[in-house]
Amino acid sequence: TQLLEQSPQFLSIQEGENLTVYCNSSSVFSSLQWYRQEPGEGPVLLVTVVTGGEVKKLKRLTFQFGDARKDSSLHITAAQPGDTGLYLCAGGPFGNEKLTFGTGTRLTIIP
Amino acid sequence: GAGVSQSPRYKVAKRGQDVALRCDPISGHVSLFWYQQALGQGPEFLTYFQNEAQLDKSGLPSDRFFAERPEGSVSTLKIQRTQQEDSAVYLCASSLSGQDYGYTFGSGTRLTVV
Repeated sequence: TQLLEQSPQFLSIQEGENLTVYCNSSSVFSSLQWYRQEPGEGPVLLVTVVTGGEVKKLKRLTFQFGDARKDSSLHITAAQPGDTGLYLCAGGPFGNEKLTFGTGTRLTIIP
Repeated sequence: GAGVSQSPRYKVAKRGQDVALRCDPISGHVSLFWYQQALGQGPEFLTYFQNEAQLDKSGLPSDRFFAERPEGSVSTLKIQRTQQEDSAVYLCASSLSGQDYGYTFGSGTRLTVV
């Protein structure tokens, strides 16, 4: 079983601060995705990274896929209350569409 | 519709009752996935289909859980003789074939077994 551990599990910071969420595994993944989930809704895809060492930017969010394809990070600059939610990483093995989801990071941005 | 639709949104079942959860994927999406999510946790894989073929059901917790997608579109997750530990949110997702496209999730069905 491929496990994805996220840290921190909970994070509460002031509006305007920067933060980083980590996603780590001992397994190698073909691709890694990040989702954000709000209460009562399903996860929504933010980004997919497919190349080791890849960095993608989405406005104030920066995603990185580790060189060894085992880990990823999500960095948010100048956090805003609208960034509040449950952030989930998900890894896809080679040759299989099934995604394994991480343990989740619950982020709260305080106005 | 434009998104993945799940029904019902909420279901309360008495222990021992059978339930059926429905998922309408995005039209044209080949792959369909079912996940179970406990409160505050990441989704756990249950099963997935490519068109009407069930390719992986390794995540189904017991033989009380059964999923089908007979015409390669709508899918139903059935739970027989529900138990309290079945209480969770059941999420359905669909995607074009291949990991790179990502999943589009429905809003889920919250099942409470009393």
